[in-house]
Parts: sequence; structure tokens; C-alpha cells
Amino acid sequence: DGGITQSPKYLFRKEGQNVTLSCEQNLNHDAMYWYRQDPGQGLRLIYYSQIVNDFQKGDIAEGYSVSREKKESFPLTVTSAQKNPTAFYLCASSTQGGLYGYTFGSGTRLTVV
Amino acid sequence: AQTVTQSQPEMSVQEAETVTLSCTYDTSENNYYLFWYKQPPSRQMILVIRQEAYKQQNATENRFSVNFQKAAKSFSLKISDSQLGDTAMYFCAFMKLVSSGTGNQFYFGTGTSLTVIP
Repeated sequence: DGGITQSPKYLFRKEGQNVTLSCEQNLNHDAMYWYRQDPGQGLRLIYYSQIVNDFQKGDIAEGYSVSREKKESFPLTVTSAQKNPTAFYLCASSTQGGLYGYTFGSGTRLTVV
Repeated sequence: AQTVTQSQPEMSVQEAETVTLSCTYDTSENNYYLFWYKQPPSRQMILVIRQEAYKQQNATENRFSVNFQKAAKSFSLKISDSQLGDTAMYFCAFMKLVSSGTGNQFYFGTGTSLTVIP
């Protein structure tokens, strides 16, 4: 079945450590996105990529980094520079333009301990 | 800047009844798309319904329909014959179109938590 796989489902990180969240899709979608979800704030865009080897910052990119070396993969690294990293992270993909909406993964819950 | 407002943080409805979730948005654009997404307790976002702004006809998907009022910038979601599986967080989203066709972005509201009571 086609879809988006995010792993792991739960992730714990010590303060000062970088951590990478995985996102893989087999939908042959060109565009991929990372969102952060906090209670009462909806979804906020971190980074997005329209094509391989290209990506742009979203509204809250500080403290995060991404890469897009393959069409299927768009990993997100939460660096130690992110001051409040505990959150739920959602990855999404779409055909170019996203006019039919995004397909979302099941998310990763990151907790800093 | 585009903003999406969902003024009802929480709502409840009796099973088999009808409920309407409100959404308003602010934009100076004329061409855009609107969406409703559902996020059940599993937390996976599921597309419920989609509306193209240039179409006057309201979109319908089975028990889900919208009331799209372009002049009022309102996009409410009506759920008929509510079922227990409809219990979820519902997000309204606005998509601004850019001329290149790429880089279109979603703007999400803060969500409405809907509980269907048996």
C-alpha cells in the first residue's frame, strides 16, 4: 500500500543532543513537508521540499535541518539549538502544487528529558 | 498574511445528530483552496473534504458537507448522522496558490475537538 512512514513513533532525547526523525513515502510525490504540532496551536510548517536536492524554510525553521537526497525520503534533524523541541512532528507529501491536499504520516512524538 | 480561525475549541454532539464546525479565514487572494482535515486519537491527519474557491457549489463527501461563503470568508463543515468514529480534532486549512504552481502552502487553524456522545 502507498503511504508515508514516520519512525520512530516515540522518541526521547537528552538535552544538548541532536536527533533525526525519519520520513519515507512511496507515493511518488514530488513535494514533502515537515510540520510541528503543539496543543492549541494547530500545525506550523518547519521545512518543505518541492524537488530532490532542494528545500525551503517554513515559518519555524530555527533549530531544525533537513535533507532531500532521494525523492522518497525527507529526514528532519532537531538540533540542540532548538529551544523547545518537545512536540508532535508530522511529515506530509503531495503531488506538485498540493492542490488535492497533503497525505500525512502518523507522526513522531519527541520528548526531551 | 493568511490566517485561519476556528472559534470553537471544543464541541460535542449526540450520536446520529448533526453538528456544524465553523471556520473563517482572512485573505486578499481570489484563487485558493480550502480543506477540512480530521485527526482522530491515532493522530494521523485524514483529508475530509476539499473546496475550490472558484466553484460556487458546496463540496459534499457522504455525510460531510461544507457551507462555503466566499464573500464572508467562511467555510463551515457539517457532519450529518454523527458516528462515534467521528470523534476527533478537526482542522480547517487554507491553501494560497502561487503563480509558479509550486510552493503552495497550507495555513491551518487551531482545531476543534469534536466528541460524539453515544
